[in-house]
Amino acid sequence: SAVISQKPSRDICQRGTSLTIQCQVDSQVTMMFWYRQQPGQSLTLIATANQGSEATYESGFVIDKFPISRPNLTFSTLTVSNMSPEDSSIYLCSVEGKGRVEAFFGQGTRLTVV
Amino acid sequence: QKEVEQDPGPLSVPEGAIVSLNCTYSNSAFQYFMWYRQYSRKGPELLMYTYSSGNKEDGRFTAQVDKSSKYISLFIRDSQPSDSATYLCAMSLNTDSWGKLQFGAGTQVVVTP
Repeated sequence: SAVISQKPSRDICQRGTSLTIQCQVDSQVTMMFWYRQQPGQSLTLIATANQGSEATYESGFVIDKFPISRPNLTFSTLTVSNMSPEDSSIYLCSVEGKGRVEAFFGQGTRLTVV
Repeated sequence: QKEVEQDPGPLSVPEGAIVSLNCTYSNSAFQYFMWYRQYSRKGPELLMYTYSSGNKEDGRFTAQVDKSSKYISLFIRDSQPSDSATYLCAMSLNTDSWGKLQFGAGTQVVVTP
């Protein structure tokens, strides 16, 4: 299994500002994933982050709004830029199991934009 | 139309009852079907997965997949208050990454003592 730590666990931010969420994994992984969980909605994949290359974004998500860094095999950050109340969500970091059909998730970052 | 549909509930059952959860999906290319459990303020945790059609049992949990109907189910026998959580179905298109998943909205389950 993988242990994933996310920081911060929650934050309240002013609209127009940006927040960077950190994700630390206790083992080296090739791919890291960022999801968004809006109230009453399903988890939606934002992007896949590979070390040493640009993140791959899913339809509806763009790099200018959600820039991602992946400086090494155990760490990634997601920035939510120029926030609006619609960005209020839980953001989760995830990694896949090695040789296992499983994805592991962090506890999430609960973001409220006011 | 969402690719994965799941009734959000809440579903309230008495302790000891069978909990029945299900999802429908539209993309016939999905190959792996998973059920995750999410407690409040925690990340999802994998309960079990099934490849293609068929049944899979793990203790009190049984997962079923009917690809012809694009319908998957999870049954929880002898439900306990500790089973109270949100249950999310998830599906994977390919085998090169288990991390890229399509989720249902999740069904909130409450098991009352």
